[in-house]
Amino acid sequence: NAGVTQTPKFQVLKTGQSMTLQCAQDMNHNSMYWYRQDPGMGLRLIYYSASEGTTDKGEVPNGYNVSRLNKREFSLRLESAAPSQTSVYFCASMSGWARRSYNSPLHFGNGTRLTVT
Amino acid sequence: SQQGEEDPQALSIQEGENATMNCSYKTSINNLQWYRQNSGRGLVHLILIRSNEREKHSGRLRVTLDTSKKSSSLLITASRAADTASYFCATDTGAQKLVFGQGTRLTINP
Repeated sequence: NAGVTQTPKFQVLKTGQSMTLQCAQDMNHNSMYWYRQDPGMGLRLIYYSASEGTTDKGEVPNGYNVSRLNKREFSLRLESAAPSQTSVYFCASMSGWARRSYNSPLHFGNGTRLTVT
Repeated sequence: SQQGEEDPQALSIQEGENATMNCSYKTSINNLQWYRQNSGRGLVHLILIRSNEREKHSGRLRVTLDTSKKSSSLLITASRAADTASYFCATDTGAQKLVFGQGTRLTINP
């Protein structure tokens, strides 16, 4: 039981390049999330998916797109990377339904450390 | 400003001492959660306390919630070196998002 798996662990991009961050969970969870973590800023929600087939914007969605490929997988795409997107990206999942409440804990992956030069 | 704000930002204590971290928030909540993050790792859920609860325990952890003051505290008793980590509170305001604070960096000195 791996929990939440994120790939890659590290990535360096040049400004303007694109990439997709992958996330998969094996806990049969309904909701999945993408957060970014910056020093002094805590975690900020980029996008979330309350269930397979649905996605919603979070606090900082600009410059990102997401795909809920199936119940297990939720990917985050940067179409044209910018230095401001240098951050640590975390994927998380939850068994409950995000549009109702957060009565169960979030399970996090170990993050992707992205540097955009 | 953040919905949840932890205090202090950093805390350094000796092994065996108790550590107390506080979280203040601005709007009413359904529940409040505490997470731990070890260096270079993802967040790990510690405890969830609902708005109608005042105190919860889990092993060496004790969480209190005072909805009238819009604040929560996390107490770690008999601290160990392995407790060195960052601790985050997160609030469910019913707005379809769980909002995290900026965290408290806890260092346990041997």
